[in-house]
Amino acid sequence: GAVVSQHPSRVICKSGTSVKIECRSLDFQATTMFWYRQFPKQSLMLMATSNEGSKATYEQGVEKDKFLINHASLTLSTLTVTSAHPEDSSFYICSARDRAGDYEQYFGPGTRLTVT
Amino acid sequence: AQKVTQAQTEISVVEKEDVTLDCVYETRDTTYYLFWYKQPPSGELVFLIRRNSFDEQNEISGRYSWNFQKSTSSFNFTITASQVVDSAVYFCALSEVGHTGGFKTIFGAGTRLFVKA
Repeated sequence: GAVVSQHPSRVICKSGTSVKIECRSLDFQATTMFWYRQFPKQSLMLMATSNEGSKATYEQGVEKDKFLINHASLTLSTLTVTSAHPEDSSFYICSARDRAGDYEQYFGPGTRLTVT
Repeated sequence: AQKVTQAQTEISVVEKEDVTLDCVYETRDTTYYLFWYKQPPSGELVFLIRRNSFDEQNEISGRYSWNFQKSTSSFNFTITASQVVDSAVYFCALSEVGHTGGFKTIFGAGTRLFVKA
């Protein structure tokens, strides 16, 4: 089956620093990747949709200058949390849509970000 | 606009009991997909099933079964003879294939299932 990886799986950073999370589709090409955020005991909230080679589309209420998304290739998308603050601590999950698939969406294992 | 409602926040059952997790959705599209995912404590989502809007056939996979009824906009999930390993958060999700060609998946709030030995 299709596999999506995320790196790192866990990251701890200090307030005010930036952190980058990578999302890779390992065995398929992903024209579209999605970034979700999940706070403890809550649901997954879609943050943004990124299409390869174009700017990401952010959901209402998500600061695009704070959460920078780059989808430079068909297998890699990155999410950079800039000037992170403790309230950005969350579980970030990416998913990728198979270019050749029938709207199938595959999820990564998630990245747990803790900002101290 | 799309919306997924999982009214049951938490359910607690004793092992071997059957349990049904409810999911009600809203969409204006005629073409859409419904999903169920399991999220164990590790956090990684486990795909359980996908159903498209044109296929109302119910499905059974081992102890799992799904009942899709477009008339009531529901896609309920039943676990038969529950086991402790079934303890997790279960999410129902809806993907719309919009008129503009956009594609978006939203999740319900989730139902936390506790199965006690």
